[in-house]
Amino acid sequence: DSGVTQTPKHLITATGQRVTLRCSPRSGDLSVYWYQQSLDQGLQFLIQYYNGEERAKGNILERFSAQQFPDLHSELNLSSLELGDSALYFCASSVGDSANTEAFFGQGTRLTVV
Amino acid sequence: GDSVTQMEGPVTLSEEAFLTINCTYTATGYPSLFWYVQYPGEGLQLLLKATKADDKGSNKGFEATYRKETTSFHLEKGSVQVSDSAVYFCALRTPSYGKLTFGQGTILTVHP
Repeated sequence: DSGVTQTPKHLITATGQRVTLRCSPRSGDLSVYWYQQSLDQGLQFLIQYYNGEERAKGNILERFSAQQFPDLHSELNLSSLELGDSALYFCASSVGDSANTEAFFGQGTRLTVV
Repeated sequence: GDSVTQMEGPVTLSEEAFLTINCTYTATGYPSLFWYVQYPGEGLQLLLKATKADDKGSNKGFEATYRKETTSFHLEKGSVQVSDSAVYFCALRTPSYGKLTFGQGTILTVHP
């Protein structure tokens, strides 16, 4: 158990809908990262938050947004869903964001858009 | 930008065979290097890491050495087990950003 909790584990929804994925980082970790894993794109970095503020953005679509709340949990909002958004979405957390600190991953949310 | 390239998979081995999974990287500055493993239906787990040139990371019989001159971080294990069957990801992290940049992953299947 990494200590990072993601809910829900599975989500099936229709095209055009909106979903929210939730991540609770390990106790004490200030940084939260979101990744998308798909068969064709591999593991793609989406966005990072550090202590409530956006720190870095990767290949995140405009239809997607995220935030980190004062209690440090984070949510990833996906809207106007398309079939191609079906993927495994991972959250990771770390104490800080220096290069040699370990990032711990949750078990992921599997999103299926039908 | 930063990138990681892993050897093409999948890799299929018999139990007790020697394993090498190649990984090379491109990065600005001096990255830290990681190997993560993903077992079926699970998230990624850190397998080992190295934070500077010539460091050797090791865990559970796996080893990798940070080679700055060849920009490589190849994963090796002397004798694989069926339980090592998983997807292995090489990754880097640079001081300027906390995010991890991953390779495409290598599927390893070990047969009895």
